[in-house]
Amino acid sequence: AQTVTQSQPEMSVQEAETVTLSCTYDTSESNYYLFWYKQPPSRQMILVIRQEAYKQQNATENRFSVNFQKAAKSFSLKISDSQLGDTAMYFCAFMKQGGQNFVFGPGTRLSVLP
Amino acid sequence: DTAVSQTPKYLVTQMGNDKSIKCEQNLGHDTMYWYKQDSKKFLKIMFSYNNKELIINETVPNRFSPKSPDKAHLNLHINSLELGDSAVYFCASSYLGLAGRHEQFFGPGTRLTVL
Repeated sequence: AQTVTQSQPEMSVQEAETVTLSCTYDTSESNYYLFWYKQPPSRQMILVIRQEAYKQQNATENRFSVNFQKAAKSFSLKISDSQLGDTAMYFCAFMKQGGQNFVFGPGTRLSVLP
Repeated sequence: DTAVSQTPKYLVTQMGNDKSIKCEQNLGHDTMYWYKQDSKKFLKIMFSYNNKELIINETVPNRFSPKSPDKAHLNLHINSLELGDSAVYFCASSYLGLAGRHEQFFGPGTRLTVL
């Protein structure tokens, strides 16, 4: 069974600074998908970024980018130029190819300070 | 225009009651899910339906029964509610076909409080 670990329960960053959230996972699969979701206080789950394991190039979406290290089974999220609206819980998720459901990490609560 | 909708968004009820939560998606997805998010924010899969067929049924009390009348709807019925059922329940959908991106789209969640 796959597991996803997020070792930082809480983090804070000053507005306009850069922050990196860590995620590691355990799997014997070679093909899979990884995701970061954001859950602001409104509780809506919002997709931030996705990565396909067969792609070596790290995914980027505007201020959000990932550092995907397949051998190390690591999938960290970098948020550049942090904004107050980035304050949220961030969840890392894993899905194997051909799989049917996500496995979520426990989440990291990020606070962006003015 | 809402992609995945859930009703109600808030549900307060007494122990022992029976309640239902409804979910609808208008994305044309083939798979729908129910997740439970506990007070520590941990998200756990409960059920999944693919093309109206149950494909995931995690260790969930049989007081919880999902029903999928068609591919666009997945409802959750809970019998004999208990205090420990208090949580936020999320519906989600995705497309698991070969051309799918496999990302899941979530509804706004239903906060269930059992008194």
